[in-house]
Amino acid sequence: DSGVTQTPKHLITATGQRVTLRCSPRSGDLSVYWYQQSLDQGLQFLIHYYNGEERAKGNILERFSAQQFPDLHSELNLSSLELGDSALYFCASSAPKAGGAYNEQFFGPGTRLTVL
Amino acid sequence: QQPVQSPQAVILREGEDAVINCSSSKALYSVHWYRQKHGEAPVFLMILLKGGEQKGHEKISASFNEKKQQSSLYLTASQLSYSGTYFCGTANTGNQFYFGTGTSLTVIP
Repeated sequence: DSGVTQTPKHLITATGQRVTLRCSPRSGDLSVYWYQQSLDQGLQFLIHYYNGEERAKGNILERFSAQQFPDLHSELNLSSLELGDSALYFCASSAPKAGGAYNEQFFGPGTRLTVL
Repeated sequence: QQPVQSPQAVILREGEDAVINCSSSKALYSVHWYRQKHGEAPVFLMILLKGGEQKGHEKISASFNEKKQQSSLYLTASQLSYSGTYFCGTANTGNQFYFGTGTSLTVIP
């Protein structure tokens, strides 16, 4: 158990819909990262938040958005869903350090999104 | 910007050694290594922060050649539990984090 929680575990929805994925980081971690992993594909970096502020954006579509709240939990919002958005979405957290991205990341169990 | 790993896949017998390479076209400031078992989340193995540094984790060690923009992961005397997909990862100056293309490792009895 990494200490990172993600809900829901599974999500099935239809094209055109909007969903919200939730992530709670390990206690004390200020950084939250979101990744997308399609079937048998690698891990694609989406976005990084540090203590409530967006730190870096990766290959995140305009239909996707995220935020980190004052209690440090984060949400990833996916809208106008398409079939190709079906994937495993992981969040990870890391401890505070100058440059945040260099610390080891602890991954949550992931949310499996299926768009029908 | 995604680091390229080689080989893509490797099959070993228990007790054999393996090397997984990670190369980047961009300057590397640090390299992370993670292992992901099928259906599970990636698990951190080690991080290398300085050029030429070698770190170890049980029978798994790694090296980092900053000049060559490469890192290698060494698995010695492989065990069945080593099976999984190995990813290297690196952060750029923009705080974006990129995982490598992945190497599938299968250890058979």
